[in-house]
Amino acid sequence: GAVVSQHPSRVICKSGTSVKIECRSLDFQATTMFWYRQFPKQSLMLMATSNEGSKATYEQGVEKDKFLINHASLTLSTLTVTSAHPEDSSFYICSATLGPSLQETQYFGPGTRLLVL
Amino acid sequence: AQKVTQAQTEISVVEKEDVTLDCVYETRDTTYYLFWYKQPPSGELVFLIRRNSFDEQNEISGRYSWNFQKSTSSFNFTITASQVVDSAVYFCALIGRSTGNQFYFGTGTSLTVIP
Repeated sequence: GAVVSQHPSRVICKSGTSVKIECRSLDFQATTMFWYRQFPKQSLMLMATSNEGSKATYEQGVEKDKFLINHASLTLSTLTVTSAHPEDSSFYICSATLGPSLQETQYFGPGTRLLVL
Repeated sequence: AQKVTQAQTEISVVEKEDVTLDCVYETRDTTYYLFWYKQPPSGELVFLIRRNSFDEQNEISGRYSWNFQKSTSSFNFTITASQVVDSAVYFCALIGRSTGNQFYFGTGTSLTVIP
């Protein structure tokens, strides 16, 4: 079946630094990728929707200048947390789908745990 | 608007007991999909089932079964003869035609199976 990978799986960084998280679809071309954020013991909340070659669409309350999303190819989307602060510590999960149809299966990555000290 | 409610925050059962996880959803779409995912401590979401709004047939897969009732907007998940490995957080989710492929997750139910 389709596989989505994320790198790194875990990252610890100092406050004020930027962190890039990669999301790759390994055996299919993903026209759309999604980025979710999950705080401990909470649900997944959609941050943004990313379509290849166009600007990401951010959910209300998500700062687009802080969470930079680049979907430069059909197999790669990146999320960069700029000037990270401790409150950005969270579990970030991406998902990818082949197309816009509801019938298309969405595949989730394994997630990236970010800890900002 | 789409909404998924999982009223049970935490459930504990003794091994071999049956357990049902409740899921109630709200949507104005007539075309939508419902899902259940398992999230073990590692964090990775494990896909369990997808059901479209036009298929109300209940489904059984091994010890897992799902009861989809449009009349009550519910999509409940039952684990029969629970095992310790079933301990995880379980999420119910929905995607609807009006909101494209965006997942709406419930708040999750943390299941602990006690040996």
